[in-house]
Order: sequence, then C-alpha cells, then structure tokens
Amino acid sequence: QKEVEQNSGPLSVPEGAIASLNCTYSDRGSQSFFWYRQYSGKSPELIMFIYSNGDKEDGRFTAQLNKASQYVSLLIRDSQPSDSATYLCAVTGGGISGAGSYQLTFGKGTKLSVIP
Amino acid sequence: EAQVTQNPRYLITVTGKKLTVTCSQNMNHEYMSWYRQDPGLGLRQIYYSMNVEVTDKGDVPEGYKVSRKEKRNFPLILESPSPNQTSLYFCASSPLRALGQPQHFGDGTRLSIL
Repeated sequence: QKEVEQNSGPLSVPEGAIASLNCTYSDRGSQSFFWYRQYSGKSPELIMFIYSNGDKEDGRFTAQLNKASQYVSLLIRDSQPSDSATYLCAVTGGGISGAGSYQLTFGKGTKLSVIP
Repeated sequence: EAQVTQNPRYLITVTGKKLTVTCSQNMNHEYMSWYRQDPGLGLRQIYYSMNVEVTDKGDVPEGYKVSRKEKRNFPLILESPSPNQTSLYFCASSPLRALGQPQHFGDGTRLSIL
C-alpha cells in the first residue's frame, strides 16, 4: 500500500512569512509529485508539480524534491491570508508506463492558516 | 473553456435507490478517475480509466461501478447506495504521458445517503 504522509496541522504563519509544508512518501519508485491547494468544500487546484530532484520555482511557490530521502516540500514565500487552505501532496507510482505511473495517491493534507 | 463537469452537484437520496453521477471532460484526456473525500481520510481513488473501455479499481471500489463508453464521459454508478457512501466525490482527468500529469478536477458532488 503506497503511503503519502503529511503533518495535518494546522500550520499558522504570520502574513508575509514563509510557510513550509512537508510530505514524505513510501514508494521509492514514485515518479511524479504534485501539490494541490483546496479551499473548504471546493475541488483541489494544482499549485506545483515536480519530477526531478532539486527545486522548482513558480512565483511565490517553490517545490523541493529529494528522492533519496523520499521527501517533497512546498515553500510559500510572502504568505497571504488568501493562501489559507488545505494543501494536498500527491504522488504517482513507479514505472514509466502502465497504470502505476498515473494513479495518484494523496496525503491527508496540511491545513495552513495565514494570520493577518 | 477546459473543464471537467460533474452532475449533480448535490444529491440527497435514500438507501438502495440506484443513482448515477455523471462526469464529462472537454480536453480529450485519456485518463479519468473518481475520488471520494471524507474527513480525516483524505482523497481516495475509487475507479480509474486509462481509455475507452479500459477501467480498473482504485483503493475503495466496493459498492461502485463505472463505465467508459466514450472518451469524454466517465459516469459513477451506485447500484444500491448505503449511508457509508455519503461523501464528497470528485471526478478528475489528465492526458496520458510518460510521466504522470496533473489531474484536472471537477467541482465535486456532495452525496448524502439516508
């Protein structure tokens, strides 16, 4: 059973600070890693995706991947109250082709609260 | 506009009364999937489809059926709903590539089974 673990939070940060969200996964062969943001009662919205070790930046968001440690993180710089949401880490299974490389396993999410 | 459309958005029904939740996408995506989301349990995959007439079980398939007769549609069928299927359901789609692609989610269907 593939597992994706996240700290459920809540994680509270002051406005303007850096929020750091962490995720670990059990399937060493995992290939693709996603961060989704979900507001209460709404559908998940893609924030970032990353395939290779290292950092990937998009605006205020940076995804970091370390496959050796089976660890992926999301940094949010200059946090805003509108960033307050639950952040879901999702991972696809191993294998370049076949169903395993497309099936998404989600963590239970980390609730982020940005305090004005 | 690229989108995944689910209907109905809300449904209250009774135990044992068959129901279908429709899902349609206009992005020509091969991969489609159904998830349910429950407090404390996160998003769990019910069924997925990699193309027309190709479907397979996810992590929690019991009590559900799906079909994929056309590329754009992927309905979720509850033949005999029970209260433990009360949940928030999401349909999602993505293209098939060598690496897993971000999935686009519908707006969700909130089902209450009494």
